[in-house]
Amino acid sequence: EIVMTQSPATLSVSPGERATLSCRASQSVSNNLAWYQQRPGQAPRLLIYGASARAAGIPARFSGSGSGTEFTLTISSLQSEDIAVYFCQQYNKWPPFTFGPGTTVDIK
Amino acid sequence: QVPLVQSGAEVKKPGSSVKVSCTASGGTFSSYAINWVRQAPGQGLEWMGTIIPILVITNYAQKFQGRVTITADRSTSTAYMELSSLRSEDTAVYYCARGTDFDTLTGYYTGYYYMDVWGTGTAVTVSS
Repeated sequence: EIVMTQSPATLSVSPGERATLSCRASQSVSNNLAWYQQRPGQAPRLLIYGASARAAGIPARFSGSGSGTEFTLTISSLQSEDIAVYFCQQYNKWPPFTFGPGTTVDIK
Repeated sequence: QVPLVQSGAEVKKPGSSVKVSCTASGGTFSSYAINWVRQAPGQGLEWMGTIIPILVITNYAQKFQGRVTITADRSTSTAYMELSSLRSEDTAVYYCARGTDFDTLTGYYTGYYYMDVWGTGTAVTVSS
């Protein structure tokens, strides 16, 4: 099973500032890595797939990078509506699909 | 995107079973996968299993083997997840999520499925 880890657990960022979230896989997942946003009380929403491709309707301030075992999600200018938990997930080798534990982003 | 509408909240007794449905309203999931993911209160996301109806493929997480059954009815675009022998630790929100391997940038199907549309979620409470 591929184990996903995320850091930091919580990230406090001022509005308009950059947020950088990290995700690491226990073995290479190539670029088969997705990021999801889960706002409070809502279902998760796909942000990024293929490590760097934005899903339909996702604002350009969200970008993903990385390959192999190290990945990054960047929010270039944090907005209030970006307050959420962000999960990474590998889909390179399954079963099982595995998720990271999440990074909570809040407003400083 | 085709919304995925799930059945309503359930309250169950320990030892019983629950069956949750997930309907693709306004369309079908003919060539897609349907995944089931659960989230216990205050916790992260846990994959339970996946069905790919057109390929007649079903895979389950080892943790749930023998307790979970995922099925799909292509005629009604509805998938089902049944979990048996419920215990208090199964209290969670259960999500279905459509899986696709289509890369919109290249226009190719890659064979690697990511979860592009999520259902509304079904809260299941297990309590005596």
